[in-house]
Amino acid sequence: AQRVTQPEKLLSVFKGAPVELKCNYSYSGSPELFWYVQYSRQRLQLLLRHISRESIKGFTADLNKGETSFHLKKPFAQEEDSAMYYCALRDGSFQKLVFGTGTRLLVSP
Amino acid sequence: NAGVTQTPKFQVLKTGQSMTLQCAQDMNHEYMSWYRQDPGMGLRLIHYSVGAGITDQGEVPNGYNVSRSTTEDFPLRLLSAAPSQTSVYFCATKGAGVFEQYFGPGTRLTVT
Repeated sequence: AQRVTQPEKLLSVFKGAPVELKCNYSYSGSPELFWYVQYSRQRLQLLLRHISRESIKGFTADLNKGETSFHLKKPFAQEEDSAMYYCALRDGSFQKLVFGTGTRLLVSP
Repeated sequence: NAGVTQTPKFQVLKTGQSMTLQCAQDMNHEYMSWYRQDPGMGLRLIHYSVGAGITDQGEVPNGYNVSRSTTEDFPLRLLSAAPSQTSVYFCATKGAGVFEQYFGPGTRLTVT
């Protein structure tokens, strides 16, 4: 069965510190992995996906098939990064997204 | 372009009441879905549709009905509300050949 695990409910760091939000998945096929973000009072929006291998707002995420992980990283956190972050998996054959339980990132000044 | 819209933004129901949460999109996206967001449980898929006239169940479909008579609209019906349905509900859409899902602003529902 498809499953996405985000072990941390809350991650609190100071501005300028490195950030790593953990995501592990369980899936037997070829998954597509995404990170979605929800800022305060805003709708959920796509941050990045593994296929693009891009950096958005300084965030990167590498798919590690051996460890079945897709951790989100940023070398220097900013206060505006404070938000709820969801890791999600999509079966390539279907449209459905399976979400993790989310990690709230709090960046303090 | 309004994107994905949801109405109402807030709703309070009493146990046993029925209501419909509306979702509309103007992006001509084929795929539409409903999620509920609960603390500590993330987003869970309730129902989804891959096109007009086609719907299917997601992870937590019990207590909810959907229909898809047009491409634009995908209403979610609660036939007999229960306190366990207190949640924030999000509608999302996705176009064919596009990887991103677009989310609505959400409806916060409280069942007392």
